[in-house]
Amino acid sequence: QVQVVQFGAEVTNPGASVKISCKASGYTFTSHKMHWVRQAPGQGLEWMGIIDTSSGSTYYAQSLQGRVALTRDTSTTTVYMDLSSLRSEDTAVYYCARDSRNWALDYWGQGTLVSVSS
Amino acid sequence: QSALTQPASVSGSPGQSITISCIGTSSDIGIYNYVTWYQQYPGKAPKLIIFDVTHRPSGVSNRFSGSKSGNTASLTISGLQAEDEADYYCTSYTNSDTWVFGGGTKLTVL
Repeated sequence: QVQVVQFGAEVTNPGASVKISCKASGYTFTSHKMHWVRQAPGQGLEWMGIIDTSSGSTYYAQSLQGRVALTRDTSTTTVYMDLSSLRSEDTAVYYCARDSRNWALDYWGQGTLVSVSS
Repeated sequence: QSALTQPASVSGSPGQSITISCIGTSSDIGIYNYVTWYQQYPGKAPKLIIFDVTHRPSGVSNRFSGSKSGNTASLTISGLQAEDEADYYCTSYTNSDTWVFGGGTKLTVL
């Protein structure tokens, strides 16, 4: 069955970077793109970006351009999200979610909490 | 890209129907039939309930339905049940090859 699994939580300092992994299984990895979405405490969902797992091409939300980078490793069916120059406003739960090929996010990871605090 | 506009909260009694609106622009909802809706319980990941404006994934109750007119999409929940109490988010593909979410609507079942 389709699974999208994220690992661990992160506590880090302002100005640092964080890298979160998301492992997919149960389907052909390169047939579905992967989105990243974040949710600050008590707030709504914010789309961050998408990676084509076949070509590696990416698109990012304008608000995060220059600070976010999505990469993938097809040998381990894992997608990575790098966020740099962290500030307190980046404290959030970060989700990866598979693109259904119907412009929807159909399978979601369980989320990774990133806390940015000095 | 500005967020889609949703009401912050809606409420209804069991058995009633409610509708949640999602207002976009001519750069997203107005030109694409790629509107999706998600249901989220506290502390849980969102769940897809409507895609391509009107389609339900397998296993989603037919009490959930979607529609669109112009720049506005809507989610209707009929026969309201206590278990429907959750947060609901709309999203749309945009002409910048990005996606944009609505601010979310908290549904309270009275």
